[in-house]
Amino acid sequence: DAGVTQSPTHLIKTRGQQVTLRCSPKSGHDTVSWYQQALGQGPQFIFQYYEEEERQRGNFPDRFSGHQFPNYSSELNVNALLLGDSALYLCASQRTGRMDYGYTFGSGTRLTVV
Amino acid sequence: QQQVKQSPQSLIVQKGGIPIINCAYENTAFDYFPWYQQFPGKGPALLIAIRPDVSEKKEGRFTISFNKSAKQFSLHIMDSQPGDSATYFCAASSADGLTFGKGTHLIIQP
Repeated sequence: DAGVTQSPTHLIKTRGQQVTLRCSPKSGHDTVSWYQQALGQGPQFIFQYYEEEERQRGNFPDRFSGHQFPNYSSELNVNALLLGDSALYLCASQRTGRMDYGYTFGSGTRLTVV
Repeated sequence: QQQVKQSPQSLIVQKGGIPIINCAYENTAFDYFPWYQQFPGKGPALLIAIRPDVSEKKEGRFTISFNKSAKQFSLHIMDSQPGDSATYFCAASSADGLTFGKGTHLIIQP
């Protein structure tokens, strides 16, 4: 049973560019959340998608946007990249209403902005 | 504003010892408290979780103690092993998603 799959694993972008990260949730999961984890810090909640709509959003600027597809996979887009956007971006999936199962995280995409 | 405070930042314990990691929260809307383990280069993996109506939960060598009135909870690792060396995050869940602590870097010495 595949867990959460994220691509690419590593990415280097130049300041001002745009980036798209992709996530396939665990089988049976329909809710996808995105987190940003800076080096040495805990993950910070970006937003959550369910039924192809953004359901909740953390304290991140509009440069961060997302999408969920009918097959529950998701994309995270970041525009006008800043050096401070360099981080590990984690995708987590969950079956809605089954908080007792917790979130399943992918291994993340390491984004470096130069 | 950090809503979940975790301590210590780092911890070194001898094999067989019992590392204890503590967390405190402010937001009474939190209704689920998971602990995650993260190895370098990997995403966090759920270890154990508790709801606020339970004071203690054990799963294998991992135990969560929860004090609702004090808004504190802690993770104990019994008979710790070098393979337990990792970064541990407490978290708290609400309708706004998961809020993580800053993490504890745990080293279990052989």
